[in-house]
Amino acid sequence: GAVVSQHPSRVICKSGTSVKIECRSLDFQATTMFWYRQFPKQSLMLMATSNEGSKATYEQGVEKDKFLINHASLTLSTLTVTSAHPEDSSFYICSASSRTAGTDTQYFGPGTRLTVL
Amino acid sequence: AQKITQTQPGMFVQEKEAVTLDCTYDTSDQSYGLFWYKQPSSGEMIFLIYQGSYDEQNATEGRYSLNFQKARKSANLVISASQLGDSAMYFCAMSILTGGGNKLTFGTGTQLKVEL
Repeated sequence: GAVVSQHPSRVICKSGTSVKIECRSLDFQATTMFWYRQFPKQSLMLMATSNEGSKATYEQGVEKDKFLINHASLTLSTLTVTSAHPEDSSFYICSASSRTAGTDTQYFGPGTRLTVL
Repeated sequence: AQKITQTQPGMFVQEKEAVTLDCTYDTSDQSYGLFWYKQPSSGEMIFLIYQGSYDEQNATEGRYSLNFQKARKSANLVISASQLGDSAMYFCAMSILTGGGNKLTFGTGTQLKVEL
């Protein structure tokens, strides 16, 4: 149980284009999903918290117009990197929250490696 | 503000030996959760074990156990009988409850290498 998928796993795009990343909870409903960014050999940095049916809550320093998040259903959240630039190249990973052992445990997707040329 | 500290950037252990990965935390909240995740080179974050701040007993999950010392604010992960497949990056994380759900704060991670 508690499986989270992410698509695509890897994407290469040209500068100026937009890229959409999907995050799905496959066997449970997740009212809350999270989006992280990870640079090589560094820890995960929370970008935003996504609640189904409401606007995402962005962390300080994260541009909401640059990183559009939509959480249209209890099993799907999307992150769109708009007008991507080389500095947006990174590993993006999502998680979905599931009640396990009395607490909300975050289960992570396999991640998406974005390379902007 | 919450903070997680992992002071070991890298650790080596021989196969079948036990290893302890250190984690200390700082928070003013009374209610919090502590998690350990494993990240292999593939990138996926795998949930290993959870300890609640009010849990009196140390959490165990197969070969993983969490040595929770609340007064010292430490939550070390112990892996027994190490296997080659345990080689990965390990992250300690703490959750705090916000209006939108439990947010996680991660440590900087420890790279574990299991050797023959």
